[in-house]
Amino acid sequence: GQQLNQSPQSMFIQEGEDVSMNCTSSSIFNTWLWYKQEPGEGPVLLIALYKAGELTSNGRLTAQFGITRKDSFLNISASIPSDVGIYFCAGQWSGTSGSRLTFGEGTQLTVNP
Amino acid sequence: EAGVTQFPSHSVIEKGQTVTLRCDPISGHDNLYWYRRVMGKEIKFLLHFVKESKQDESGMPNNRFLAERTGGTYSTLKVQPAELEDSGVYFCASRGTGGRGWPFFGPGTRLTVL
Repeated sequence: GQQLNQSPQSMFIQEGEDVSMNCTSSSIFNTWLWYKQEPGEGPVLLIALYKAGELTSNGRLTAQFGITRKDSFLNISASIPSDVGIYFCAGQWSGTSGSRLTFGEGTQLTVNP
Repeated sequence: EAGVTQFPSHSVIEKGQTVTLRCDPISGHDNLYWYRRVMGKEIKFLLHFVKESKQDESGMPNNRFLAERTGGTYSTLKVQPAELEDSGVYFCASRGTGGRGWPFFGPGTRLTVL
């Protein structure tokens, strides 16, 4: 099956620092998504990317859909304590139906005030 | 609008026992998904319902897992008999029909098999 390699697995940063995480795949995806999961909650969609090369922002978050369609990155600028959580990349492949998603293993982000 | 709800939030059972997880999707959402995350790993797709029909169940690990969605509303996922490797967080998600909408996830059920 398809796999997404997400890195880093965890990050410990100081408030105010910028953060970058990425996902790569051996397969092509039609759509890349970035989710955030906070303790006791389910994943919440942050950004959806639909075209190769697309760069999309949501507040302090910026994500890009790689040109090869096999990778994506997420940047968080000027981190704050509420950015703490697990960030997951997810992709949808044209060979699957019904919005079935393939997820990465997640990046655990800790922000020290 | 109420979100996706799941019950119970936690379940601790012994190997060989049976557990049933419940998911109530967002009202009116025809699409319902089950996913699972085992410790530190990726969130893995289990299956997809459209109304009461199983659209895709290719992610179900084995025949110890049974998912139902009678009447096309809430769904249950039964594990019988449970094994140690079934431990993890089981997420339910729902999505409306059409458009570019993506699934909304519930808070998950944390299952621990001892």
